[in-house]
Amino acid sequence: KQEVTQIPAALSVPEGENLVLNCSFTDSAIYNLQWFRQDPGKGLTSLLLIQSSQREQTSGRLNASLDKSSGRSTLYIAASQPGDSATYLCAVRYRTSGSRLTFGEGTQLTVNP
Amino acid sequence: DAMVIQNPRYQVTQFGKPVTLSCSQTLNHNVMYWYQQKSSQAPKLLFHYYDKDFNNEADTPDNFQSRRPNTSFCFLDIRSPGLGDAAMYLCATSRDYTTGGIEAFFGQGTRLTVV
Repeated sequence: KQEVTQIPAALSVPEGENLVLNCSFTDSAIYNLQWFRQDPGKGLTSLLLIQSSQREQTSGRLNASLDKSSGRSTLYIAASQPGDSATYLCAVRYRTSGSRLTFGEGTQLTVNP
Repeated sequence: DAMVIQNPRYQVTQFGKPVTLSCSQTLNHNVMYWYQQKSSQAPKLLFHYYDKDFNNEADTPDNFQSRRPNTSFCFLDIRSPGLGDAAMYLCATSRDYTTGGIEAFFGQGTRLTVV
């Protein structure tokens, strides 16, 4: 079964800390992996998209890596701010799933001032 | 500028009373998706349209239907909402996915409450 797992489920850090969120997937045959941010009661905002041929993508303070062989991706957030508090979701487009995005359950991040 | 727009943001409906949620997009994408997300859970795909072709997920209840009258609009109809259908409903779009590595764009969601 093709699944996506995110660890930890929740994370609380002081402002200014660098942090890493983890995502693992069960099949290395993927098209791409996408990281999203979700604020409470809101929709999903796309943060970074990594194609299967890529190893990492960067946007501002965010850096996402992809290691297909080990079935892992990480989202690195530098110099965290209270405004980064949200749930971060990882989603994988498996090659055998066509259009479907398979989501993890997310990591709920709280950055304390 | 919002590219995937969902209306309404919040919907309260009575148990068993049909309800329709709407989604529109300005991206001219081929594919439109409906996901259901319950509290603290991963979004779950209900169905998607590839152009006018409807693709239902095997475990989507018959209570859920969808219409796509044109490229820009897609509707989610819940024929007889039950208490278990209370959730956030997310609409998403993407370009032609047959080439694989395309990005999905989501709307702000509709929070459905069933009373």
